[in-house]
Amino acid sequence: DAGVTQSPTHLIKTRGQQVTLRCSPKSGHDTVSWYQQALGQGPQFIFQYYEEEERQRGNFPDRFSGHQFPNYSSELNVNALLLGDSALYLCASSLRAPNTGELFFGEGSRLTVL
Amino acid sequence: AQSVAQPEDQVNVAEGNPLTVKCTYSVSGNPYLFWYVQYPNRGLQFLLKYITGDNLVKGSYGFEAEFNKSQTSFHLKKPSALVSDSALYFCAVRDYVSGNTPLVFGKGTRLSVIA
Repeated sequence: DAGVTQSPTHLIKTRGQQVTLRCSPKSGHDTVSWYQQALGQGPQFIFQYYEEEERQRGNFPDRFSGHQFPNYSSELNVNALLLGDSALYLCASSLRAPNTGELFFGEGSRLTVL
Repeated sequence: AQSVAQPEDQVNVAEGNPLTVKCTYSVSGNPYLFWYVQYPNRGLQFLLKYITGDNLVKGSYGFEAEFNKSQTSFHLKKPSALVSDSALYFCAVRDYVSGNTPLVFGKGTRLSVIA
C-alpha cells in the first residue's frame, strides 16, 4: 500500500522564480492538504483540496496556489519566490469523511530559495 | 480559531524513565486531538488521536496520551523511554464546530532520551 509520495525531495531556486511541487495521496484518500514547515517551527496550513477545488485556505498570500487532479494527486505552486519561502513543504492526505481521521504525511519537499 | 501550545521546546529524560510531553489547546467547539512524531529530514508520523470516549488514549510505540477537558490539555506520555524515542513531537487539534476544519499544529517539542 503506497503511502503519500512527494516530488522533488530537494530543490534550490532563486528569488523571483516559480516552483511546482507534486503530491500523490495515499491509496483510497480523496483529500490533500499542504503545509509549510519553516526551520524549527511546526507545520503551517496552506490549503486543502477536495473534488478538485480549494476548500480551505490558511494565512498565505495568493502567490501560493494549487491544483488537484481527477486522480486526487495535487500540485502546489509558488510564484515570485522570496527568501522566506525556504522551508519543508509537506503534503498530507486524508478522507473527507469522516473528519475524525488523521492526516498521512509524505516525506516533504525541501525548498531552498537563494 | 483553534490553537495549540507546547510550552517546552526541549524535554530531556534518561532511558528507562517515564516521559511526558505537554500540550494545551484552545477551541470553540469539541476538540479532535492528535500527536505526531518527526524524525530528522522526514515527514510526520501519526502516533495517536483522541476523538471521544475514554480520556486515556493508547497509540503506537507504547505512547499514550491523556485528555483533560477541564485543563484543556492532551499530554503525551510513555512509561519507559527509549533512546530511539528521541525526535520532534507535535501536538495538533481540529475544532469540530461544523464541517471540515484544518489540523492546527503546535511548534513542537524536541525529546532527547539519554542512555
